[in-house]
Amino acid sequence: DAKTTQPPSMDCAEGRAANLPCNHSTISGNEYVYWYRQIHSQGPQYIIHGLKNNETNEMASLIITEDRKSSTLILPHATLRDTAVYYCIVFGNEKLTFGTGTRLTIIP
Amino acid sequence: GAVVSQHPSWVICKSGTSVKIECRSLDFQATTMFWYRQFPKQSLMLMATSNEGSKATYEQGVEKDKFLINHASLTLSTLTVTSAHPEDSSFYICSADTGTGKETQYFGPGTRLLVL
Repeated sequence: DAKTTQPPSMDCAEGRAANLPCNHSTISGNEYVYWYRQIHSQGPQYIIHGLKNNETNEMASLIITEDRKSSTLILPHATLRDTAVYYCIVFGNEKLTFGTGTRLTIIP
Repeated sequence: GAVVSQHPSWVICKSGTSVKIECRSLDFQATTMFWYRQFPKQSLMLMATSNEGSKATYEQGVEKDKFLINHASLTLSTLTVTSAHPEDSSFYICSADTGTGKETQYFGPGTRLLVL
């Protein structure tokens, strides 16, 4: 699987949009970009995934660049409960490989 | 959405004993389940892939005789940590593949193991 690069940590004010970047410059054509998050001492939670088109669901939006070498996860109105470690994963076969993720802290 | 449960949620055991952790898919059938381990302040590391009715596939560096995995039904996989030692203390998380191709894997809440 292709590797991803994420900033180790970010802060975001409560109520503002949180934009989490991810670089995946070695992604191949059939690999998807998945985002999971892990709240402290819990199992990971699926957020969203996409191939090349932008995606939106009730939790977040995923913006993938045209060359697919990077993407941004957007939480439109961050709340304190969104404080977690966010993992960007490129997935092409049957194994999810977790990197170190971005620790997002929502500031009141 | 699909729900995966784990039991127990936490366990404390003495060094040298064995501990069994259950992973269940509650409202779907999972042909494939995955076992991860997470040490404090670290990311999840895949230990093994468990397919119903066949032997598990272990990742490099994971001892198959120490971490016994059984996936006897489409809704249950078990991980047994044999002869546990303090260095086995960790957060063990399972996930299940729904096979729908949408969310790929649903994760359980995790089991925290402390070996004294």
